[in-house]
Amino acid sequence: DADVTQTPRNRITKTGKRIMLECSQTKGHDRMYWYRQDPGLGLRLIYYSFDVKDINKGEISDGYSVSRQAQAKFSLSLESAIPNQTALYFCATSDFGSEAFFGQGTRLTVV
Amino acid sequence: GDSVTQMEGPVTLSEEAFLTINCTYTATGYPSLFWYVQYPGEGLQLLLKATKADDKGSNKGFEATYRKETTSFHLEKGSVQVSDSAVYFCALGGASGGSYIPTFGRGTSLIVHP
Repeated sequence: DADVTQTPRNRITKTGKRIMLECSQTKGHDRMYWYRQDPGLGLRLIYYSFDVKDINKGEISDGYSVSRQAQAKFSLSLESAIPNQTALYFCATSDFGSEAFFGQGTRLTVV
Repeated sequence: GDSVTQMEGPVTLSEEAFLTINCTYTATGYPSLFWYVQYPGEGLQLLLKATKADDKGSNKGFEATYRKETTSFHLEKGSVQVSDSAVYFCALGGASGGSYIPTFGRGTSLIVHP
């Protein structure tokens, strides 16, 4: 089984809809992250969480919210999806200062 | 804040050519440095890492040396293969404020032709 699992892998949704992307990890790490990947822009941090009670905004948090349901689960929500949120979304987990482990990504298209 | 700058791609090479992808960083403190690789349709996976100055990370024929004096961590491979075609990301375990949040460069696409 993968260390980090994201669901769904692909999603097409309409403008204005609420959508949730889910992430679970089996590494036992406290730290979890959500990134967005756009061509030419690399990975940009949306939200991060250092433990269940510690959630922080990243550089591009507007239009997104998160929930850390447990050490192993960290979900990302788009409250009202818009077309410029079309992107590839990655969840990752790491230990303090160590390498990050990534999920396979969720390709989201907002039409 | 912390940042990573890497050379823009795509980098196009013939098989068995020498590869260099430049990476420089800005960080307070002493971060760990990483190279990740992303194959088509997949997530990022760690290629190599270095945790302190002058350390050399290596894996699958790739190497990078942590140069504190030039704040660089350039990726090299002596002889690339078609299977190395992927996107490569330089990253640091950011040390600003001790938070160590992974910070990534924009990625460099490598295309290797037979």
